[in-house]
Amino acid sequence: AQSVTQLDSQVPVFEEAPVELRCNYSSSVSVYLFWYVQYPNQGLQLLLKYLSGSTLVKGINGFEAEFNKSQTSFHLRKPSVHISDTAEYFCAAATGGGNKLTFGTGTQLKVEL
Amino acid sequence: NAGVMQNPRHLVRRRGQEARLRCSPMKGHSHVYWYRQLPEEGLKFMVYLQKENIIDESGMPKERFSAEFPKEGPSILRIQQVVRGDSAAYFCASSPPTGAYNEQFFGPGTRLTVL
Repeated sequence: AQSVTQLDSQVPVFEEAPVELRCNYSSSVSVYLFWYVQYPNQGLQLLLKYLSGSTLVKGINGFEAEFNKSQTSFHLRKPSVHISDTAEYFCAAATGGGNKLTFGTGTQLKVEL
Repeated sequence: NAGVMQNPRHLVRRRGQEARLRCSPMKGHSHVYWYRQLPEEGLKFMVYLQKENIIDESGMPKERFSAEFPKEGPSILRIQQVVRGDSAAYFCASSPPTGAYNEQFFGPGTRLTVL
């Protein structure tokens, strides 16, 4: 069975500073990897996804993530955050037919002035 | 093209009552997934349905929970005899029927509170 681990439950950061949200997965088979963002009382919005090909994936709102197979990681980065990036971020993985997503427990990103 | 729609957005039930959560997938999507988000936790997969078929219900509790996706109308997640532990946000996602991986689009969720 696969699992997704987000070690940081909360990440405070000042506006315009860079940020990295960590995600590790465990799977013995090929995986598809995703980052979703959830704003308060809303559903999940896809930020970016890795299916195959280039290990550096660019997403919306200036976010990017790098798939590292040897370290089984898929960390999310943004070089300069904005107040509006304050939200909960979820890493997720899918295998096989991709019919169900396994989510991490989420990282609350809090951007401060 | 409207997104995934869920209703109601908020639902309050007393212990022992039934809860019905509805999900209308995006136009052209024939796959529906239900996830549950307990407080302070990530989303947990419950069930995957296609029109008139349950494909994978490995995440559904064995009792009181059921799901359907009829030929016509929305998908329904039904919880009978609710208990306080059922209080959670329930998210529906839909995907198109083609592709090696079917990207899932999420609805805004239904927040169930059991008193």
